[in-house]
Amino acid sequence: DAGVIQSPRHEVTEMGQEVTLRCKPISGHNSLFWYRQTMMRGLELLIYFNNNVPIDDSGMPEDRFSAKMPNASFSTLKIQPSEPRDSAVYFCASSFGLAGGQETQYFGPGTRLLVL
Amino acid sequence: RKEVEQDPGPFNVPEGATVAFNCTYSNSASQSFFWYRQDCRKEPKLLMSVYSSGNEDGRFTAQLNRASQYISLLIRDSKLSDSATYLCGHNAGNMLTFGGGTRLMVKP
Repeated sequence: DAGVIQSPRHEVTEMGQEVTLRCKPISGHNSLFWYRQTMMRGLELLIYFNNNVPIDDSGMPEDRFSAKMPNASFSTLKIQPSEPRDSAVYFCASSFGLAGGQETQYFGPGTRLLVL
Repeated sequence: RKEVEQDPGPFNVPEGATVAFNCTYSNSASQSFFWYRQDCRKEPKLLMSVYSSGNEDGRFTAQLNRASQYISLLIRDSKLSDSATYLCGHNAGNMLTFGGGTRLMVKP
């Protein structure tokens, strides 16, 4: 079975540009999570969805970040405008269940973002 | 104080050694705990879940101490392939919060 799919795997962009990261969760999973990982801050939860509805976005750093989940098989994380400090690895994860953290989360391969 | 804290390491151990990591958490309402393994430039992958006092899977043993608010991961007979970063995570409510990870390097 296919795991969580993310695209692109690598993104290099210039400051001020819009960046869109994409995620396809594991089929049948009803919770989807967006994380950001840096050396300084570790792995941080940005936002999570349950049944396509955003449940908690308290981890979203600022208004430049937005996330959508238009259907059960697709989600996007958008940064507009991007800044160098947004450079990080962005992971998408999915799980099956009602709660946001009780069940095992399966991570995608991540998108390595570099903002110049 | 961070919600979940881990010693970043690195822990350098010889092959065959036993090594243990601790992870402390500050939220006493934490309900479930996880150990994830992350290889360099890869995604985290679940190693073990801990819902009660502990869990064991082959060479790996996780123990939970709710009174002192920490969980530990013990690796026996370490292999070269165990070299990775080990992330501790806990759930208190609806979100999974991770520690910064502990790096393990197993040497021949």
